Amino acid sequence: GIQVEQSPPDLILQEGANSTLRCNFSDSVNNLQWFHQNPWGQLINLFYIPSGTKQNGRLSATTVATERYSLLYISSSQTTDSGVYFCAVLYSGYALNFGKGTSLLVTP
Amino acid sequence: DVKVTQSSRYLVKRTGEKVFLECVQDMDHENMFWYRQDPGLGLRLIYFSYDVKMKEKGDIPEGYSVSREKKERFSLILESASTNQTSMYLCASSPSGGNEQFFGPGTRLTVL
Repeated sequence: GIQVEQSPPDLILQEGANSTLRCNFSDSVNNLQWFHQNPWGQLINLFYIPSGTKQNGRLSATTVATERYSLLYISSSQTTDSGVYFCAVLYSGYALNFGKGTSLLVTP
Repeated sequence: DVKVTQSSRYLVKRTGEKVFLECVQDMDHENMFWYRQDPGLGLRLIYFSYDVKMKEKGDIPEGYSVSREKKERFSLILESASTNQTSMYLCASSPSGGNEQFFGPGTRLTVL
């Protein structure tokens, strides 16, 4: 099956700092999503981005499908950005394959 | 906005009980999914359904069954709950064609 690797596994930032999260995948994919899992466990959709670049407020994402990676940028981080960020890809069939996530803690 | 709801946020059951987890989506999506999430193991697919009454096994179907009698509702059934089924259960839906998936709030199930 496809391998989805996220880095770094853990990240601690001070409020206001910027960060880049990376997702590498081992084969061509049909779609790619970024999620934020909040402290209550819900997965919040951030981006649906099989290729190209998208921006939503302080967050943006870029997927370079030919090189099999995606990046999530968080600018001017806030404490509410804390949580786990997952990259997930649709490789074959219907279901997503998830990376192990990046755990982000933003301190005041 | 897409809305996926799950019947309970927290559930405590005893070993051997039959457990029903319900999921409802309001966007007329064809595909629905059940995942479980465990520390160190990430999210794993249990079952999915691509149409009413249709189902496919995922990576870890043992000990589970599903039911989809109506398009908007997908149920996960633990026939005889065991302690190793203590987990976070997440339901998701997506339109046909393998597009963006949307998740419900999750159910934290504890089996004692």
